[in-house]
Amino acid sequence: GENVEQHPSTLSVQEGDSAVIKCTYSDSASNYFPWYKQELGKRPQLIIDIRSNVGEKKDQRIAVTLNKTAKHFSLHITETQPEDSAVYFCAAPNYGGSQGNLIFGKGTKLSVKP
Amino acid sequence: DSGVTQTPKHLITATGQRVTLRCSPRSGDLSVYWYQQSLDQGLQFLIQYYNGEERAKGNILERFSAQQFPDLHSELNLSSLELGDSALYFCASGGQNSPLHFGNGTRLTVT
Repeated sequence: GENVEQHPSTLSVQEGDSAVIKCTYSDSASNYFPWYKQELGKRPQLIIDIRSNVGEKKDQRIAVTLNKTAKHFSLHITETQPEDSAVYFCAAPNYGGSQGNLIFGKGTKLSVKP
Repeated sequence: DSGVTQTPKHLITATGQRVTLRCSPRSGDLSVYWYQQSLDQGLQFLIQYYNGEERAKGNILERFSAQQFPDLHSELNLSSLELGDSALYFCASGGQNSPLHFGNGTRLTVT
C-alpha cells in the first residue's frame, strides 16, 4: 500500500511570511493528492487538492505543487495569518489511483505568530 | 457543515465495555470511511464500506467491526475496550469523483 511521509512536523513562522510543507509518497500509481487543515478539536477540512495531470494549483494564498517524477508534493501558504495556525495533513490514495481510502501523513503543526 | 453526521459527539466508558459509533454520509455518497486519531497522532484508516459492502481494510483491530446499512448509514462497533482505544473517531464520505468530507468525530474516552 501507499506510504506518505510529511515534513516538518512543526513549523513556526511570523505573520506575513510564507510556509511550506512537503510530502513524499511511494506508489507511482497514485494520482490524487489532497491537503487537509485541522484546527484543535475539529474535523479535518479539505483546503486544496491536485490531480496528477497538473503540476501546480492555486487558490488565493494557498498553492500545491506536484513532482510526479520525484513523487513529492508541497503545500505553500503565502502571507500567513494567525488563523492559518492549525495542523495540516497531506494524503494520497491507497491501492493506487482510487480517490477514496486516503493514507495521511503524520501532520505538520503550523504556528503563525502575530 | 460537511454534511457527514456522527453521533454521539462524546462517549465515556470503562475498560472491557462495548460501544457503537454511528455515521450518516453526505447525501448521494455511497462510500463511508472510518478513521482513528489518537492524541497527537495522525489519521489512521480503519475501514471503508461502499454501498453496503466492505471495500478496504486498514489497521483495524479484531475487536473492532463495522457495517453499512441499506440506508447507507454506518456503525463502528468497538468491543473489549482498552485505555489505548481512547481517541477521536472520524467518519468520512466521498463519491468516486469527489473528495473525502469528514464528520465532526466522536471523542471516545475509556477509563
